[in-house]
Amino acid sequence: DQQVKQNSPSLSVQEGRISILNCDYTNSMFDYFLWYKKYPAEGPTFLISISSIKDKNEDGRFTVFLNKSAKHLSLHIVPSQPGDSAVYFCAANLKTSYDKVIFGPGTSLSVIP
Amino acid sequence: EPEVTQTPSHQVTQMGQEVILRCVPISNHLYFYWYRQILGQKVEFLVSFYNNEISEKSEIFDDQFSVERPDGSNFTLKIRSTKLEDSAMYFCASSRGLLAGLTDTQYFGPGTRLTVL
Repeated sequence: DQQVKQNSPSLSVQEGRISILNCDYTNSMFDYFLWYKKYPAEGPTFLISISSIKDKNEDGRFTVFLNKSAKHLSLHIVPSQPGDSAVYFCAANLKTSYDKVIFGPGTSLSVIP
Repeated sequence: EPEVTQTPSHQVTQMGQEVILRCVPISNHLYFYWYRQILGQKVEFLVSFYNNEISEKSEIFDDQFSVERPDGSNFTLKIRSTKLEDSAMYFCASSRGLLAGLTDTQYFGPGTRLTVL
């Protein structure tokens, strides 16, 4: 079951630069998309979400872009900080099933000071 | 800031034994969830719980699993007879519960690492 894909298992970025994390999905019935961040020994922490009717949502240093025709979304972090180093999960909800968050495999981001 | 807590942080058990994983959701939340993450794999939805009953469950959540809210604060996941493949991180989550038709942010606990020997 690969409904949510994150093809880059890891990413390294210099502090102060932009981090771009990519995500692709296959299910056109997804209604909301979410990004979660996870530090070791902690649970996933909600970062930002976007409804399928929008193409951009911004919250401080974090911006999520959605391209529905390409079934692609991305998370931009600018400027990147060392504390942003974590695993980032792209996730989605179906309109018929808001209870169930479907996670991608995650991308490990390292921000180098 | 309120947070979801889980106990124990690490549980080791023998195959075939019953385990109970415990969670205290955020106090004013109405929806509760369990997820698991097998080492090296994705976080997977197991079950959601609302108004003292299961609202949705995945194909993973078979008869070996059960959930309960035994009192006003705890939410538990029981695995009746553990198997080696049940070894994973188990995450509890809770959400406030919004109007129908809207997604609702789920807040996750730190997880319980279950090791089945």
